[in-house]
Amino acid sequence: ETGVTQSPTHLIKTRGQQVTLRCSSQSGHNTVSWYQQALGQGPQFIFQYYREEENGRGNFPPRFSGLQFPNYSSELNVNALELDDSALYLCASSLWGKDTQYFGPGTRLTVL
Amino acid sequence: EDQVTQSPEALRLQEGESSSLNCSYTVSGLRGLFWYRQDPGKGPEFLFTLYSAGEEKEKERLKATLTKKESFLHITAPKPEDSATYLCAVQAGPSYNTDKLIFGTGTRLQVFP
Repeated sequence: ETGVTQSPTHLIKTRGQQVTLRCSSQSGHNTVSWYQQALGQGPQFIFQYYREEENGRGNFPPRFSGLQFPNYSSELNVNALELDDSALYLCASSLWGKDTQYFGPGTRLTVL
Repeated sequence: EDQVTQSPEALRLQEGESSSLNCSYTVSGLRGLFWYRQDPGKGPEFLFTLYSAGEEKEKERLKATLTKKESFLHITAPKPEDSATYLCAVQAGPSYNTDKLIFGTGTRLQVFP
């Protein structure tokens, strides 16, 4: 059974740039959730995707957007990067209707 | 507003010294409470799910319990490899709603030999 994978591992961008982060869900899972974790904080919910549609969104501006593909993999896109976007971005997959979410290793984004 | 509070923020234990971590929550319609372990720079690793007051789950040196207002993670005779940040999270609201997790800020545990 393949776990959740994320790419890239690390990323350095400058303010105003755009970034795309990728996630492959665990085998058999059809739901993907994205979280942002600032240093020393708990993860904060960004949004969730099921059946290729956004299903719930946290308190993040529209410049945070996402996609889910037919194979259940997902992308997180962030436009007009700000310094405060520097964080660990976590992807979690689950089976719709089942509660437990399994996390990937994360992508560390640094915005200079 | 749904909220999760963890205490203490940090805990230093001698190897073999048992202790408990606390997670208190205020949510509308708890669907589940989750414990995760997170090593520095890594993603959270799932430990337990608890659904109703009185429920208990065990795994090796860890035992999680749930009441109507809080959950405890008991660590019995910890070893240095148990050092990590332990995160508590809740899911709340109707099941047709999003499955978002609401996290606390975690307890950073250090176990010294």
